[in-house]
Amino acid sequence: AQKVTQAQTEISVVEKEDVTLDCVYETRDTTYYLFWYKQPPSGELVFLIRRNSFDEQNEISGRYSWNFQKSTSSFNFTITASQVVDSAVYFCALRNYGGSQGNLIFGKGTKLSVKP
Amino acid sequence: DTGVSQNPRHKITKRGQNVTFRCDPISEHNRLYWYRQTLGQGPEFLTYFQNEAQLEKSRLLSDRFSAERPKGSFSTLEIQRTEQGDSAMYLCASSSRTVTPETQYFGPGTRLLVL
Repeated sequence: AQKVTQAQTEISVVEKEDVTLDCVYETRDTTYYLFWYKQPPSGELVFLIRRNSFDEQNEISGRYSWNFQKSTSSFNFTITASQVVDSAVYFCALRNYGGSQGNLIFGKGTKLSVKP
Repeated sequence: DTGVSQNPRHKITKRGQNVTFRCDPISEHNRLYWYRQTLGQGPEFLTYFQNEAQLEKSRLLSDRFSAERPKGSFSTLEIQRTEQGDSAMYLCASSSRTVTPETQYFGPGTRLLVL
């Protein structure tokens, strides 16, 4: 079965704190893609990053960084020095390579609130 | 703006009525997807088109739901005889293997409320 678990339903931090959003996935495929999307209150899902299962190199983009560990089936997302504009719901998603071309499997999301 | 667009953004209807939503994908994206998102949940896949061909449908897509993409550009999602359980955000996404493989870009969604 394929599944994405985001155990943290809501997180609240004060501006400038670092925060890590957890994502654990399950898949029987050896080749797959992992994604993070941001959904601000306006509702539009904004693509943040895509990771291929064969590339475990961690990635940093400005204040955002991602830690991909196949050994623990985790793809965690860290925001450094959080800002109020980071407040949103963040979704982790999984897509297998060889299977359905349409089936992005999402977690339930983590609502991040950054207070000034 | 060359992103995915969806219309209308909001729709309120009475139970039993039919509704139709439209999605315009990013230009030249040959793949188009529909998802449904209920409160507190992640999006759930409904159906997928490659050009004008509907290649996959989720079991969530009951007989009251129909989607089309007649010319391989915009798509419509129709819900017949709406039920209160259809109240949700309907999201459209598009992608292209030739531009950014395997990444779906989403529109702003259509929020449906069935009274």
